[in-house]
Amino acid sequence: GNSVTQMEGPVTLSEEAFLTINCTYTATGYPSLFWYVQYPGEGLQLLLKATKADDKGSNKGFEATYRKETTSFHLEKGSVQVSDSAVYFCALSDKSGGSNYKLTFGKGTLLTVNP
Amino acid sequence: GAGVSQSPSNKVTEKGKDVELRCDPISGHTALYWYRQSLGQGLEFLIYFQGNSAPDKSGLPSDRFSAERTGGSVSTLTIQRTQQEDSAVYLCATPGNEQFFGPGTRLTVL
Repeated sequence: GNSVTQMEGPVTLSEEAFLTINCTYTATGYPSLFWYVQYPGEGLQLLLKATKADDKGSNKGFEATYRKETTSFHLEKGSVQVSDSAVYFCALSDKSGGSNYKLTFGKGTLLTVNP
Repeated sequence: GAGVSQSPSNKVTEKGKDVELRCDPISGHTALYWYRQSLGQGLEFLIYFQGNSAPDKSGLPSDRFSAERTGGSVSTLTIQRTQQEDSAVYLCATPGNEQFFGPGTRLTVL
C-alpha cells in the first residue's frame, strides 16, 4: 500500500535560518505529491504540489521537487520567518482507483521559528 | 478552506451516544472525502464519495461509522455508540487531485 514518511519533529529554528523537512514515499502507481500546512488554531491548507517526476512545487518561498529516483519530496525554504511556525504534512494521492484521489499523509512535523 | 463548511465546529458527547457531522461543499464538486485527525493516528482517510455513491469506504474504522451524501452536495458522517477513541477532528475535503479542506468538527467523547 501507499505510505509517507516524514522527519520527526519538532524542529526549532531561528528566524532567517534554512529549513529542510524530509519526506519519502512508497506508492504503487504514479502519485501526485503535496505539502499541507496547519497554522496554530487553523485548518489544513494546501501549501504546494507536484504531479509528476522532476516537477517543482513552490509557494510562499517554500519549494519541493518530486524526485522519483529517490522517492522523495523534501520541503525547503531559504529563510524562515516566525509566521512560518506551523505543522507541515507531506501527502500523496495515487489515482489507482479511477477518480479516487484519496490522500495518504505523513505524521506531520511541528516547526517553531524563534525571533 | 474556501468553499467547504462543516458543522458543528465542536461537539461534546457522552460515550454511547450517536452523533452526526455535516459537510457542505461548494456546489458542482462531485468528489468529496472525509478524513479524521487524531493524536494517535494522525491524518487518515475515511471515505470517498463520487456523487451520491461511496465507491471507497475502506477507511471507516468500524461498522459504527457510516456516511451518506444527498443531491451530490451535503454529506453526513454518523457515528453510532460513540467511544472515547472516536475523539478527533473530522475533516471534509473536495474536490479531487487538489483537495481543499473544511475547518473540521472537533468531536470529544467523554
